Amino acid sequence: KAGVTQTPRYLIKTRGQQVTLSCSPISGHRSVSWYQQTPGQGLQFLFEYFSETQRNKGNFPGRFSGRQFSNSRSEMNVSTLELGDSALYLCASSLSTGGLHYEQYFGPGTRLTVT
Amino acid sequence: GDSVTQMEGPVTLSEEAFLTINCTYTATGYPSLFWYVQYPGEGLQLLLKATKADDKGSNKGFEATYRKETTSFHLEKGSVQVSDSAVYFCALSDQGAQKLVFGQGTRLTINP
Repeated sequence: KAGVTQTPRYLIKTRGQQVTLSCSPISGHRSVSWYQQTPGQGLQFLFEYFSETQRNKGNFPGRFSGRQFSNSRSEMNVSTLELGDSALYLCASSLSTGGLHYEQYFGPGTRLTVT
Repeated sequence: GDSVTQMEGPVTLSEEAFLTINCTYTATGYPSLFWYVQYPGEGLQLLLKATKADDKGSNKGFEATYRKETTSFHLEKGSVQVSDSAVYFCALSDQGAQKLVFGQGTRLTINP
């Protein structure tokens, strides 16, 4: 079974631009979560989607948004990029339907550099 | 809110040495606890988990016991190998949620 895939793997953007990152979960997984990893703040939860609905959200500004499609693929968008948005963005999928924590399977991440 | 504090690194050991990476947590409910490992250029992989007090998670020679009285989940391995060199993250999830709260990570280097 194919793992979680994320595209693109690397991205360079300029301050003020916007960016869209994509995540394809493991087949059959309906929950997709996004995390930001930086040297200073470590790994921080952005949001989780299940059946096209945002089920949980972390403490990030409204510039960070996401969505999930009917095939469970997910995208996250960052508008008006700032230098501090440079990070590794990780996507994780799971079989979770709610009520129990299911193992999350992580993708390799998208490395975003903002200049 | 929930938080995880883990031993700061980097940690450097010789092959076959004993490993301990400390992890303590703060949570309002009864969290599940995890150790994840990240190899260079890769995403996170679940190493082991424990879902209730006194549970012991184990995998690939690594072990960690869920200690509610000390709110700890220390990672141990009796004899490390060069291939264990990676960054290790302690994490929790609260009450069945998918959201993971991570510690800062501990970089482990094993020298031959």
